[in-house]
Amino acid sequence: AQSVTQLGSHVSVSEGALVLLRCNYSSSVPPYLFWYVQYPNQGLQLLLKYTSAATLVKGINGFEAEFKKSETSFHLTKPSAHMSDAAEYFCAVRVGQNFVFGPGTRLSVLP
Amino acid sequence: DVKVTQSSRYLVKRTGEKVFLECVQDMDHENMFWYRQDPGLGLRLIYFSYDVKMKEKGDIPEGYSVSREKKERFSLILESASTNQTSMYLCASSRQGWANTIYFGEGSWLTVV
Repeated sequence: AQSVTQLGSHVSVSEGALVLLRCNYSSSVPPYLFWYVQYPNQGLQLLLKYTSAATLVKGINGFEAEFKKSETSFHLTKPSAHMSDAAEYFCAVRVGQNFVFGPGTRLSVLP
Repeated sequence: DVKVTQSSRYLVKRTGEKVFLECVQDMDHENMFWYRQDPGLGLRLIYFSYDVKMKEKGDIPEGYSVSREKKERFSLILESASTNQTSMYLCASSRQGWANTIYFGEGSWLTVV
């Protein structure tokens, strides 16, 4: 069965520091992978998605993710954290018509 | 922009009440979903629908039912609300097809007392 794991339920970085949020997936077929962000008391918004066109995917708000098949990973990065990046981040893999989400990583940005 | 609208943001209901959570999308999407979100558990799929009047159970369907009479509307029903159903409920929609994105509503916070 397809699944998604996110290492670290809570990550703290200083403002201006590199953000790295980890996502690993298991899939028996070529995956379609997504990163979503959720701000407090809101729904989820799409940050970026991988659909096999390019392994390095750029998203909104300066985020990007790299698909590495050999590592079954799709880690999310941003070179310089901003206070407004504080939120919860979810990695997801599409399975048929459905989506499987990871447990989420809460990002805190310290001044 | 895709719009998924959940009719109620915050609800407080009593144990045993029948609860309806309504969701409408405006992009003619075939697929619609109901998720439940709890701290530490992420998003868990309750039900999804890939067409009008069609539904499929997700991971945690017990205690819930759904209705999809029109393409744009997907309702979640708690037949007899219980305190363990206190949670954030998220509705979502997507087109059919592997590469298509899922779009979420703002969420409905349900408290059962």
